[in-house]
Amino acid sequence: GEDVEQSLFLSVREGDSSVINCTYTDSSSTYLYWYKQEPGAGLQLLTYIFSNMDMKQDQRLTVLLNKKDKHLSLRIADTQTGDSAIYFCAVLDYKLSFGAGTTVTVRA
Amino acid sequence: KAGVTQTPRYLIKTRGQQVTLSCSPISGHRSVSWYQQTPGQGLQFLFEYFSETQRNKGNFPGRFSGRQFSNSRSEMNVSTLELGDSALYLCASQEGQANSPLHFGNGTRLTVT
Repeated sequence: GEDVEQSLFLSVREGDSSVINCTYTDSSSTYLYWYKQEPGAGLQLLTYIFSNMDMKQDQRLTVLLNKKDKHLSLRIADTQTGDSAIYFCAVLDYKLSFGAGTTVTVRA
Repeated sequence: KAGVTQTPRYLIKTRGQQVTLSCSPISGHRSVSWYQQTPGQGLQFLFEYFSETQRNKGNFPGRFSGRQFSNSRSEMNVSTLELGDSALYLCASQEGQANSPLHFGNGTRLTVT
């Protein structure tokens, strides 16, 4: 099955940029996703990228995809306290395979 | 459009009992998937339904079952509950094309005592 790896924790100062990294094993995945989970809530779809793209920007979010290294990253510009959450990288074949999630803590 | 709606939000059951969880997808979405989230195993795929048929299935025992109705609403059933079934159960809906994004509900928190 698909293996998706993420670092577990990230601490960032308010106003700085956050970068969350993810690696995956299955090169046949066509779509790669980022979800956000706040305490007590479900998964909020943040953004996604098609595998034939290198980059996608959506307001404060930038997704970078390096297909050769099977590496995906999510950059959050001007990180705010409301960005504190768990972020999941996921790759889609017939199902979503998720990483373990990166807990982002934003400090004042 | 309304999002994915899951009911109930919380459930407490006793070992050996059975439970049914409900999911209403986004209007127009024909695919519904179920995932289990636990601290130890993370997010794991249970099954996916499309047009009332199970299209894909994860690696869970037969105690876990589901169905989908003609209006695309889905239910998930767990029989003979075990302590290890305590988890957040998340439902996701998808338009139907294989690569369209999955949108999740807020989940049902099941506690088995």
